[in-house]
Amino acid sequence: EVQLVESGGDMIHPGGSLRLSCAASGFAFSTYAMNWVRQAPGKGLEWVSAISVSGGVTDYADSVKGRFTISRDNSKNMLYLQMNGLRAEDTAVYYCAKSSSSRPIRSDYWGQGTLVTVSS
Amino acid sequence: DNQMTQSPSSLSASVGDRVTITCRASQDINNYLAWYQHKPGKAPVLLIYAASTLQSGVPSRFTGSGSGTDFTLTISSLQPEDVATYYCQKYNSVPLTFGGGTKVEIK
Repeated sequence: EVQLVESGGDMIHPGGSLRLSCAASGFAFSTYAMNWVRQAPGKGLEWVSAISVSGGVTDYADSVKGRFTISRDNSKNMLYLQMNGLRAEDTAVYYCAKSSSSRPIRSDYWGQGTLVTVSS
Repeated sequence: DNQMTQSPSSLSASVGDRVTITCRASQDINNYLAWYQHKPGKAPVLLIYAASTLQSGVPSRFTGSGSGTDFTLTISSLQPEDVATYYCQKYNSVPLTFGGGTKVEIK
């Protein structure tokens, strides 16, 4: 059974940093691209970032480019999102999602999400 | 970037009704279009990919159609468990943009 479990969400002041983690199990993690998707309160889903199977290729939404860094550790089946320079508009539930192929495309499995609140 | 526009933003229908949601891409995305169902507090669920292919385990009352820039998600007979927000997503290239969502309620 595919499982994705996010952690690391917290309440943080504007300008602060946070690292989200996603523990993956039940599939060959190192052979699938991975995505981060977020949902701000009362808003829709927003794709945030994607990473290739090796971690060598990463992509970001314009809203987070230069502030967020996606990474993965295939030896530990872990996905990460380092978030720096956090802003109030980054407040959201962050979902880890498995791509259905080795390329970042549609997501066929999602975690339950972790809440990040940016507030002074 | 390619924008994804969904309509309507919300709808209310009776149990057993046929429900149709549309999604329009601002540029041609061929058939690289997915539909998701999202219930509050739950993980989103992939319903349809490649515009019209039903994901394994998804009830057959969900169908997708379209190609290029115009796409449709249809629920043939609305059930109480279908109350959710539905999103389209393009995946021909990054950014993997979502539509704004359509909230479906029971009348």
